[in-house]
Amino acid sequence: AQKVTQAQTEISVVEKEDVTLDCVYETRDTTYYLFWYKQPPSGELVFLIRRNSFDEQNEISGRYSWNFQKSTSSFNFTITASQVVDSAVYFCALSPGGYSNYQLIWGAGTKLIIKP
Amino acid sequence: DVKVTQSSRYLVKRTGEKVFLECVQDMDHENMFWYRQDPGLGLRLIYFSYDVKMKEKGDIPEGYSVSREKKERFSLILESASTNQTSMYLCASIGQGGEAFFGQGTRLTVV
Repeated sequence: AQKVTQAQTEISVVEKEDVTLDCVYETRDTTYYLFWYKQPPSGELVFLIRRNSFDEQNEISGRYSWNFQKSTSSFNFTITASQVVDSAVYFCALSPGGYSNYQLIWGAGTKLIIKP
Repeated sequence: DVKVTQSSRYLVKRTGEKVFLECVQDMDHENMFWYRQDPGLGLRLIYFSYDVKMKEKGDIPEGYSVSREKKERFSLILESASTNQTSMYLCASIGQGGEAFFGQGTRLTVV
């Protein structure tokens, strides 16, 4: 089965706190891609990062970092020193290697609320 | 930057009307998708297209059809709108690396 689980429905933190959004995936494919997207209140989903299954190096981009661990089938997203502008719904997605045309399997999303 | 443009941000239609949602991308992508997004249900794939005049059903195609006459344009058609099709509709164009670029979304209300 191909599946993405974001167990945290909603997270609320105070500005400047660090926060980690969890993503656990299931696939039998050895080749696959993982993604994170951000959906701010305006509604448009914004691509944040893509990771292929052969690259387990952690990625850092400013205050954002991603931890990919194949051993636990997880691709977690951490925001350091959160800001109010980080408030959004964040989606994790999987593109299994057996899927042509880049079909995506989506997690349910985690709503992140950053309080000033 | 990739630009994906949906024709309307907000739309109100009457039950039984035929509704057209248009999506245009400017990056010559082959793959385009239509999703609907509902609270608690996440993103659900309606249809996708991998080339001009080619289409595939997604997870919830019932009540919808699509048209891809030109590579840059992918239209979603509600043949006879019903109230249960009230939703946010999202169009995406897929880059070579598999990343999806989304339009701003169309919030459709069927009354």
